[in-house]
Amino acid sequence: NAGVTQTPKFQVLKTGQSMTLQCAQDMNHNSMYWYRQDPGMGLRLIYYSASEGTTDKGEVPNGYNVSRLNKREFSLRLESAAPSQTSVYFCACSQGPNEKLFFGSGTQLSVL
Amino acid sequence: DAKTTQPPSMDCAEGRAANLPCNHSTISGNEYVYWYRQIHSQGPQYIIHGLKNNETNEMASLIITEDRKSSTLILPHATLRDTAVYYCIVKGAQKLVFGQGTRLTINP
Repeated sequence: NAGVTQTPKFQVLKTGQSMTLQCAQDMNHNSMYWYRQDPGMGLRLIYYSASEGTTDKGEVPNGYNVSRLNKREFSLRLESAAPSQTSVYFCACSQGPNEKLFFGSGTQLSVL
Repeated sequence: DAKTTQPPSMDCAEGRAANLPCNHSTISGNEYVYWYRQIHSQGPQYIIHGLKNNETNEMASLIITEDRKSSTLILPHATLRDTAVYYCIVKGAQKLVFGQGTRLTINP
């Protein structure tokens, strides 16, 4: 089992470009999450999906959109990238709301 | 969700017990205390969680005070591989909110 798989691992964008970060889990978990982590900081929640077909905003949703494509996949889209979105992005999943989270290995994104 | 306070950094000698404190004085009755750690730039790793009783697993022990306003994560025999940032999180609602954590350095 791979657990939580994120693609790509690294990405460089120019300001204004768009891209989608992909996340897939093979743990059959109901809930999925997207976090960002800026240098020297803790993780901040961008969006989460409690179950297939639902999505909700986290602490820092501005500039992002998400899609819960099915139970396995939860994508994060940047429509018009900005330098302030330079960060490491982590996807996570959990069986339910009070269950432990399992994280992917992250996507390092640089916006120039 | 309640806020937590952790020391920004700690050191511990290899082979000794590492005791990481966390204050969560505003915790409410249905909120759990979770601990995660992040080694270098990897994704955070779950360690342990508890509601009001002390908990132990293969990685660590969690001691929660009777009034639940503080807790301590104990790594019984720290190794160099335990060097990481440790996050104490109080979680009631769905989302997990990370603070800045404690940077634990295990010294040989």
